[in-house]
Amino acid sequence: GAGVSQSPRYKVAKRGQDVALRCDPISGHVSLFWYQQALGQGPEFLTYFQNEAQLDKSGLPSDRFFAERPEGSVSTLKIQRTQQEDSAVYLCASSPRDLLVYEQYFGPGTRLTVT
Amino acid sequence: DQQVKQNSPSLSVQEGRISILNCDYTNSMFDYFLWYKKYPAEGPTFLISISSIKDKNEDGRFTVFLNKSAKHLSLHIVPSQPGDSAVYFCAARMNSNYQLIWGAGTKLIIKP
Repeated sequence: GAGVSQSPRYKVAKRGQDVALRCDPISGHVSLFWYQQALGQGPEFLTYFQNEAQLDKSGLPSDRFFAERPEGSVSTLKIQRTQQEDSAVYLCASSPRDLLVYEQYFGPGTRLTVT
Repeated sequence: DQQVKQNSPSLSVQEGRISILNCDYTNSMFDYFLWYKKYPAEGPTFLISISSIKDKNEDGRFTVFLNKSAKHLSLHIVPSQPGDSAVYFCAARMNSNYQLIWGAGTKLIIKP
Protein backbone atom coordinates (compact mmCIF):
# COMPACT_ATOMS: atom_id res chain seq x y z
CA GLY A 1 0.00 0.00 0.00
CA ALA A 2 0.98 3.64 -0.17
CA GLY A 3 3.43 4.95 2.37
CA VAL A 4 3.60 8.32 4.07
CA SER A 5 3.78 11.14 1.58
CA GLN A 6 4.83 14.73 2.09
CA SER A 7 4.55 17.82 -0.05
CA PRO A 8 6.24 19.84 -1.23
CA ARG A 9 9.50 17.90 -1.27
CA TYR A 10 11.50 21.12 -1.44
CA LYS A 11 10.55 24.61 -0.41
CA VAL A 12 12.55 27.79 -0.62
CA ALA A 13 11.15 30.69 1.34
CA LYS A 14 12.35 34.21 1.87
CA ARG A 15 12.84 35.21 5.45
CA GLY A 16 9.56 36.44 6.86
CA GLN A 17 7.34 34.34 4.59
CA ASP A 18 4.81 31.85 5.87
CA VAL A 19 5.02 28.22 4.74
CA ALA A 20 2.72 25.22 4.98
CA LEU A 21 3.99 21.67 4.82
CA ARG A 22 1.63 18.78 4.19
CA CYS A 23 1.73 15.19 5.40
CA ASP A 24 -0.47 12.34 4.19
CA PRO A 25 -0.03 9.45 6.63
CA ILE A 26 -0.70 5.81 5.92
CA SER A 27 -4.45 5.28 5.83
CA GLY A 28 -5.83 4.24 9.19
CA HIS A 29 -2.78 5.18 11.18
CA VAL A 30 -3.75 6.63 14.52
CA SER A 31 -0.55 8.39 15.47
CA LEU A 32 1.19 11.14 13.54
CA PHE A 33 4.47 12.84 14.37
CA TRP A 34 6.37 15.80 13.04
CA TYR A 35 10.16 16.01 13.37
CA GLN A 36 12.73 18.59 12.43
CA GLN A 37 16.07 17.34 11.19
CA ALA A 38 18.98 19.74 10.94
CA LEU A 39 21.91 18.91 8.70
CA GLY A 40 24.09 16.18 10.19
CA GLN A 41 21.73 15.55 13.09
CA GLY A 42 19.06 13.07 13.98
CA PRO A 43 15.39 14.01 13.84
CA GLU A 44 14.06 16.06 16.74
CA PHE A 45 10.50 15.68 17.94
CA LEU A 46 8.16 18.59 17.25
CA THR A 47 4.62 17.41 17.91
CA TYR A 48 2.36 14.37 18.19
CA PHE A 49 -1.25 13.74 17.16
CA GLN A 50 -3.48 10.89 18.18
CA ASN A 51 -6.20 11.00 15.53
CA GLU A 52 -7.23 14.68 15.40
CA ALA A 53 -6.05 15.51 18.91
CA GLN A 54 -2.71 17.21 19.31
CA LEU A 55 -1.53 15.56 22.50
CA ASP A 56 1.96 16.98 22.65
CA LYS A 57 3.43 20.09 21.08
CA SER A 58 6.30 20.45 23.49
CA GLY A 59 8.91 20.21 20.74
CA LEU A 60 7.66 23.14 18.68
CA PRO A 61 10.53 25.64 18.85
CA SER A 62 8.41 28.78 18.97
CA ASP A 63 4.89 30.09 18.64
CA ARG A 64 5.61 30.64 14.94
CA PHE A 65 5.16 26.89 14.50
CA PHE A 66 1.66 25.50 14.33
CA ALA A 67 0.39 22.03 13.39
CA GLU A 68 -3.06 20.65 12.77
CA ARG A 69 -4.76 17.41 11.81
CA PRO A 70 -8.43 18.40 11.70
CA GLU A 71 -9.95 15.16 10.45
CA GLY A 72 -7.46 12.74 11.92
CA SER A 73 -5.72 11.99 8.65
CA VAL A 74 -3.84 14.68 6.69
CA SER A 75 -1.71 17.01 8.76
CA THR A 76 -0.24 20.42 8.04
CA LEU A 77 2.74 22.03 9.72
CA LYS A 78 2.71 25.80 9.34
CA ILE A 79 5.63 28.07 10.02
CA GLN A 80 4.93 31.77 10.20
CA ARG A 81 7.49 34.51 9.54
CA THR A 82 10.21 32.01 8.65
CA GLN A 83 13.72 32.59 9.93
CA GLN A 84 17.02 31.20 8.66
CA GLU A 85 17.29 28.86 11.63
CA ASP A 86 14.10 27.18 10.42
CA SER A 87 16.04 25.72 7.49
CA ALA A 88 15.90 21.95 7.95
CA VAL A 89 14.23 18.81 6.71
CA TYR A 90 10.78 18.37 8.20
CA LEU A 91 9.80 14.74 8.58
CA CYS A 92 6.36 13.33 9.16
CA ALA A 93 5.83 9.83 10.55
CA SER A 94 2.76 7.77 11.29
CA SER A 95 2.13 4.69 13.37
CA PRO A 96 -0.81 2.32 13.55
CA ARG A 97 -0.80 2.36 17.33
CA ASP A 98 -1.33 5.04 19.90
CA LEU A 99 0.55 6.07 23.02
CA LEU A 100 3.09 3.28 23.32
CA VAL A 101 4.23 3.54 19.74
CA TYR A 102 6.90 1.30 18.44
CA GLU A 103 8.07 1.57 14.91
CA GLN A 104 7.12 4.70 13.03
CA TYR A 105 6.77 4.98 9.27
CA PHE A 106 8.37 8.05 7.80
CA GLY A 107 7.69 10.15 4.76
CA PRO A 108 10.52 11.42 2.56
CA GLY A 109 10.53 14.81 4.24
CA THR A 110 10.26 18.40 3.08
CA ARG A 111 13.54 20.27 2.79
CA LEU A 112 12.92 23.88 3.77
CA THR A 113 15.52 26.49 2.90
CA VAL A 114 15.00 30.00 4.22
CA THR A 115 17.01 32.64 2.41
CA ASP B 1 22.86 17.48 26.22
CA GLN B 2 22.71 14.49 23.89
CA GLN B 3 20.99 11.54 25.49
CA VAL B 4 21.69 9.24 22.53
CA LYS B 5 25.12 9.35 20.96
CA GLN B 6 26.51 7.79 17.84
CA ASN B 7 30.15 8.71 18.04
CA SER B 8 31.21 7.47 14.62
CA PRO B 9 29.99 9.78 11.85
CA SER B 10 31.01 7.22 9.23
CA LEU B 11 32.15 3.64 8.83
CA SER B 12 33.59 1.84 5.82
CA VAL B 13 33.35 -1.95 5.56
CA GLN B 14 34.26 -4.46 2.90
CA GLU B 15 31.38 -6.28 1.26
CA GLY B 16 30.82 -9.66 2.90
CA ARG B 17 32.36 -8.62 6.22
CA ILE B 18 30.59 -7.69 9.42
CA SER B 19 29.45 -4.11 10.02
CA ILE B 20 29.17 -3.00 13.64
CA LEU B 21 27.44 0.27 14.42
CA ASN B 22 27.52 1.59 17.95
CA CYS B 23 25.23 3.72 20.05
CA ASP B 24 25.59 4.99 23.62
CA TYR B 25 22.91 6.50 25.81
CA THR B 26 22.84 8.32 29.09
CA ASN B 27 19.27 7.97 30.34
CA SER B 28 18.66 4.77 32.29
CA MET B 29 14.91 5.30 31.89
CA PHE B 30 15.03 4.33 28.22
CA ASP B 31 13.21 1.04 27.82
CA TYR B 32 13.04 0.50 24.09
CA PHE B 33 15.60 1.05 21.37
CA LEU B 34 15.24 1.16 17.62
CA TRP B 35 17.52 1.27 14.62
CA TYR B 36 16.48 3.09 11.47
CA LYS B 37 18.15 3.13 8.09
CA LYS B 38 18.03 6.14 5.81
CA TYR B 39 18.85 6.47 2.13
CA PRO B 40 19.44 9.92 0.60
CA ALA B 41 16.25 11.87 -0.14
CA GLU B 42 14.12 9.31 1.69
CA GLY B 43 12.72 9.16 5.19
CA PRO B 44 14.16 6.77 7.78
CA THR B 45 12.87 3.21 7.61
CA PHE B 46 12.53 0.99 10.63
CA LEU B 47 15.10 -1.80 10.76
CA ILE B 48 15.10 -3.59 14.09
CA SER B 49 14.34 -2.90 17.73
CA ILE B 50 15.04 -4.26 21.18
CA SER B 51 13.31 -4.01 24.51
CA SER B 52 15.37 -3.27 27.59
CA ILE B 53 14.38 -6.63 29.06
CA LYS B 54 16.38 -8.38 26.37
CA ASP B 55 20.05 -8.29 25.50
CA LYS B 56 19.82 -9.50 21.93
CA ASN B 57 17.40 -9.44 19.05
CA GLU B 58 18.05 -10.99 15.69
CA ASP B 59 16.34 -10.55 12.33
CA GLY B 60 18.05 -12.15 9.38
CA ARG B 61 21.38 -10.44 8.77
CA PHE B 62 20.71 -7.86 11.47
CA THR B 63 21.32 -8.35 15.18
CA VAL B 64 21.05 -5.73 17.88
CA PHE B 65 22.85 -6.18 21.19
CA LEU B 66 22.01 -4.24 24.33
CA ASN B 67 24.37 -3.84 27.29
CA LYS B 68 22.36 -2.01 29.93
CA SER B 69 25.14 -1.77 32.47
CA ALA B 70 27.30 0.01 29.91
CA LYS B 71 24.35 1.90 28.42
CA HIS B 72 25.47 0.73 25.04
CA LEU B 73 23.86 -0.93 22.08
CA SER B 74 25.21 -2.11 18.79
CA LEU B 75 23.86 -3.18 15.45
CA HIS B 76 25.61 -6.00 13.65
CA ILE B 77 25.10 -6.61 9.96
CA VAL B 78 26.53 -9.79 8.57
CA PRO B 79 27.34 -10.30 5.82
CA SER B 80 27.40 -6.67 4.68
CA GLN B 81 25.97 -5.99 1.24
CA PRO B 82 26.25 -2.95 -1.07
CA GLY B 83 22.58 -2.12 -0.46
CA ASP B 84 23.37 -1.66 3.21
CA SER B 85 25.17 1.58 2.40
CA ALA B 86 23.06 4.20 4.15
CA VAL B 87 22.90 6.34 7.27
CA TYR B 88 21.91 4.38 10.37
CA PHE B 89 20.17 6.07 13.27
CA CYS B 90 19.81 4.76 16.78
CA ALA B 91 16.71 5.95 18.67
CA ALA B 92 15.44 5.41 22.20
CA ARG B 93 12.13 5.70 23.98
CA MET B 94 11.13 5.99 27.61
CA ASN B 95 8.31 3.91 29.02
CA SER B 96 4.85 5.35 28.38
CA ASN B 97 6.36 8.02 26.23
CA TYR B 98 5.87 8.13 22.48
CA GLN B 99 8.79 10.46 21.88
CA LEU B 100 11.84 8.99 20.24
CA ILE B 101 15.23 10.47 21.10
CA TRP B 102 17.61 10.08 18.17
CA GLY B 103 21.33 9.87 17.69
CA ALA B 104 23.05 11.89 14.97
CA GLY B 105 23.52 8.87 12.72
CA THR B 106 26.41 6.88 11.28
CA LYS B 107 27.02 6.73 7.55
CA LEU B 108 27.86 3.17 6.54
CA ILE B 109 29.73 2.63 3.30
CA ILE B 110 30.06 -0.90 1.97
CA LYS B 111 33.00 -1.26 -0.38
CA PRO B 112 32.74 -3.82 -3.20
